[in-house]
Amino acid sequence: NAGVMQNPRHLVRRRGQEARLRCSPMKGHSHVYWYRQLPEEGLKFMVYLQKENIIDESGMPKERFSAEFPKEGPSILRIQQVVRGDSAAYFCASSPPDSPETQYFGPGTRLLVL
Amino acid sequence: AQKVTQAQTEISVVEKEDVTLDCVYETRDTTYYLFWYKQPPSGELVFLIRRNSFDEQNEISGRYSWNFQKSTSSFNFTITASQVVDSAVYFCALVGGNTDKLIFGTGTRLQVFP
Repeated sequence: NAGVMQNPRHLVRRRGQEARLRCSPMKGHSHVYWYRQLPEEGLKFMVYLQKENIIDESGMPKERFSAEFPKEGPSILRIQQVVRGDSAAYFCASSPPDSPETQYFGPGTRLLVL
Repeated sequence: AQKVTQAQTEISVVEKEDVTLDCVYETRDTTYYLFWYKQPPSGELVFLIRRNSFDEQNEISGRYSWNFQKSTSSFNFTITASQVVDSAVYFCALVGGNTDKLIFGTGTRLQVFP
């Protein structure tokens, strides 16, 4: 059973470009979460999705950030017009429907904005 | 409000020493879950343990043990006979109430020297 997959593992963007981060949950998991880890800090919740639904986006910045989890395919975290402050590690986690609080994390995507 | 405090930012020990990582949490929920995750230098997040608020039994898994005490709102993690491979950042986290988002502490960096 493959774990949570994230790609790319590393992403370099120039200011103003768009960043697209992908997450494929573990097989059988229907809940996806995105977290951001700024340098030397802990992880902060961004958004919680189920298939085709955003359940909780209370941690998402109001502008430039969006997330989706379509019926088919991976979950996507999209950052438009990136700025240097967006440089961070972005982690995706998934959990099974019968134990949504137990989250298994992917390897993360390290975003560097030049 | 929910909060997790890991007061120890960095701990250094020599191999074979025992080490305890402290975690203190705050929540008003009567039902909640506590977690520990390990983040080795490679950067991924590894799930270690989940405890629910109704189960105060201490748990042991090999060299790892956890002490959950509701009276002091603590969920401490002890590594016995530490090894160099235990060097990592360890995060304590909380999920409570109707939300499934993890609230992380700021992490404790453990360095085990040979």
